[in-house]
Amino acid sequence: GNSVTQMEGPVTLSEEAFLTINCTYTATGYPSLFWYVQYPGEGLQLLLKATKADDKGSNKGFEATYRKETTSFHLEKGSVQVSDSAVYFCALSERSSASKIIFGSGTRLSIRP
Amino acid sequence: KAGVTQTPRYLIKTRGQQVTLSCSPISGHRSVSWYQQTPGQGLQFLFEYFSETQRNKGNFPGRFSGRQFSNSRSEMNVSTLELGDSALYLCASSLEGLTHNEKLFFGSGTQLSVL
Repeated sequence: GNSVTQMEGPVTLSEEAFLTINCTYTATGYPSLFWYVQYPGEGLQLLLKATKADDKGSNKGFEATYRKETTSFHLEKGSVQVSDSAVYFCALSERSSASKIIFGSGTRLSIRP
Repeated sequence: KAGVTQTPRYLIKTRGQQVTLSCSPISGHRSVSWYQQTPGQGLQFLFEYFSETQRNKGNFPGRFSGRQFSNSRSEMNVSTLELGDSALYLCASSLEGLTHNEKLFFGSGTQLSVL
């Protein structure tokens, strides 16, 4: 079945450091790929998405590129801020459904001032 | 526009009891889905409702059930609670829930503790 694997956390970085959170997926067909973020005490928010191969999703300085050849969707940001501290989830959905999402295990990110 | 509203925010129950959680979707959204979030299993899809009918279902036992009303509000019920049911239960809504182009909006969740 479909699945998502993302790097284990927690990840701790200093402010302005470069961030990469690795994500790979297993899926039949051509899923849509997402990064969701969960801030403390809040629900999930969509950070960015890509719906086909070579698409690049971007938002708030974060980027991720849909790589079909390596089945990957790594999250990157050039300069992190303290406010980026949160849990990040890589996820996929089949093209026929927006609601049934398969999530990775989440990566907790902490940014030191 | 109000977001997805889940009530209550916190619940404490004992083993064997049953519990009902409520979710009000964003106005105009007709698809409501439920997820369970635990430290061990992560985020797992429970089920999705559309037009008062269950349209998708995850791999959870029959103790987990749900329903949707004509105004799209949804409830989920867990009967005969077990310690392992302790989790954050998240509700999400979208317009139709049919294609990958739709955005899913999540509520803040109901934190259920089973003692």
